[in-house]
Formats: sequence, C-alpha cells, structure tokens
Amino acid sequence: AQTVTQSQPEMSVQEAETVTLSCTYDTSENNYYLFWYKQPPSRQMILVIRQEAYKQQNATENRFSVNFQKAAKSFSLKISDSQLGDTAMYFCAFIDSYGRDDKIIFGKGTRLHILP
Amino acid sequence: DTGVSQDPRHKITKRGQNVTFRCDPISEHNRLYWYRQTLGQGPEFLTYFQNEAQLEKSRLLSDRFSAERPKGSFSTLEIQRTEQGDSAMYLCASSPTGGAADTQYFGPGTRLTVL
Repeated sequence: AQTVTQSQPEMSVQEAETVTLSCTYDTSENNYYLFWYKQPPSRQMILVIRQEAYKQQNATENRFSVNFQKAAKSFSLKISDSQLGDTAMYFCAFIDSYGRDDKIIFGKGTRLHILP
Repeated sequence: DTGVSQDPRHKITKRGQNVTFRCDPISEHNRLYWYRQTLGQGPEFLTYFQNEAQLEKSRLLSDRFSAERPKGSFSTLEIQRTEQGDSAMYLCASSPTGGAADTQYFGPGTRLTVL
C-alpha cells in the first residue's frame, strides 16, 4: 500500500526566511504524481506544486520549489522568502498514475507558522 | 468560475440523527470526489463519481454512508444514524476529466460535530 509520511508536525520561521518541509513516501509503482497542498486556516485546500515521477527536473512555482529524490522516495518543499500568507497546514500527497480511482493519498500534514 | 462549494459549512447534530451534505463542483467537471479529514490527519478518500456513476468506495464508507450524484452535477453525502466517530471535516473535490494528471479542486468542507 502507498503511504506518505511527514515527520514535522509543526514548524515556525521568521518572515522572509527560507523553510523546507520534509516528506517521504512508499510505493512500488514506477510512475506517479506527487503534490504539495496548502490548507490555510480558512480550510480550503489548494494545490501548491506538483511533480511527475518520470520527470527528473524538480518542479518550481514562484517561491515554491521541490527537491524530488526518486530513489530515496523523498519529496521536500522549499518555500523561499516566506510570507505571512504562507501560514497554513501543508500536506504532501501522492497519486498513482495508473490507479483506477484517482484517489489522492495524503500525509498527516505540517503546520507552518510564519512569524512577523 | 466560482469554485467548488459545499453546504452547510458547519453541522452539529445529536448521535443517531441523519445528516446530508451537498457539494457543487466546478461547472462541467466530470469527476467528483469525497474525502474525510479528522483532526490532526490528512484527508482520506471516501468515494468518487464519474458523471452520475459512483465508481469506487473506500472501506471507510460504512453502510450508514451513501453518496449520490443524480444528474452528474451536484452530489450529496448522507450519513444515517450518526456516531461520535463521524465527527470530521467532509471535503469535496472535482476535476475536469479524471486521471492522475488532473488537478483536483477542493471545496471549503463541511465540518460535522456529533454530540
């Protein structure tokens, strides 16, 4: 069974600093997608960034980038120049490319506080 | 495009009562998903629809749970004879056509509290 593990339940950083959130996953599949979702205090989940497993180049979206290590099954999120609006729960997530049901498997999340 | 909407946003009920939640997906999105999120956990998949057809149900979805999407647009999730363990955030998501490459867009959720 696929699993997603986030080992950092909570983190705090000062505004404008860089922060890295860790994620590891387990799967026997060769192709899949990995995601980072953000869930602000208002609770609506939004997609931050995605990575397809067969693409070696790490995905970037403005201040957000990932470090994808396929062999190590590691998928960390780096937030540069952090802003107060980045305060949220961040979920690492996985979906099997060939899965029949498109279900996303989420980690337990990391609560990130950006301090002024 | 107004995004995925869910109603109600909060529901408090007594144990043993039935509750029904509604999800309106993004217009013309064929896939609709239900997830449940308990405190301190990430969302867990419950079920999904391709248009009006329910294609997969998680073992988390006991016989007390039923979901419908009668005309392939909005969906309802009903919980009969609620139990305290049903207290959670129920999230709905939709995607254009389905498939792992499709982005799932989430609604704000319905928070259920069973007393």
